[in-house]
Amino acid sequence: NAGVTQTPKFQVLKTGQSMTLQCAQDMNHNSMYWYRQDPGMGLRLIYYSASEGTTDKGEVPNGYNVSRLNKREFSLRLESAAPSQTSVYFCASSVSEETQYFGPGTRLLVL
Amino acid sequence: GENVEQHPSTLSVQEGDSAVIKCTYSDSASNYFPWYKQELGKGPQLIIDIRSNVGEKKDQRIAVTLNKTAKHFSLHITETQPEDSAVYFCAARSSNYKLTFGKGTLLTVNP
Repeated sequence: NAGVTQTPKFQVLKTGQSMTLQCAQDMNHNSMYWYRQDPGMGLRLIYYSASEGTTDKGEVPNGYNVSRLNKREFSLRLESAAPSQTSVYFCASSVSEETQYFGPGTRLLVL
Repeated sequence: GENVEQHPSTLSVQEGDSAVIKCTYSDSASNYFPWYKQELGKGPQLIIDIRSNVGEKKDQRIAVTLNKTAKHFSLHITETQPEDSAVYFCAARSSNYKLTFGKGTLLTVNP
């Protein structure tokens, strides 16, 4: 039981490049989330998916798109990366809308 | 939407002392309040949570109290140890079933 896994662990992009952050969970959880964490800002919700086939915007969705590929996988895409998207990205999952289990994070640097 | 304020932003204590971190929330409909611990380079991990029908909950050296009238909740760590050093986040689940996080408290336990 690996819990929540994220790939890649680190990534460096140039402004304007695109990339997809991958997240998978093996706990049979219905809900999945993407957060970004910036110094002094805590964790801010980008998008979430309450169940397979549904997605909804969080607090900071601009510049991102998501896909709930199946119950296990939830990906986050940056179509045209900007320096303001330099951050640590965390994926999380939960059975209900309560206890969320987090992955180890993806550290992204946009030059 | 929900707004969660967390204080202090940094806290330094001597080993064996107690540490208290406080959070306030704005949405009176919020009914679930988890606390997460984040060690350097890792994702947040749930350490304790409390629901709105309970005033206090303990788990060994950790306790959380909730005052619904005043809309604040606190984390208490007794007999602190160096391994308690980390960033702690409070969160509140509001009526839209999303977690809103505080900005975090960096706790340092000095040997």
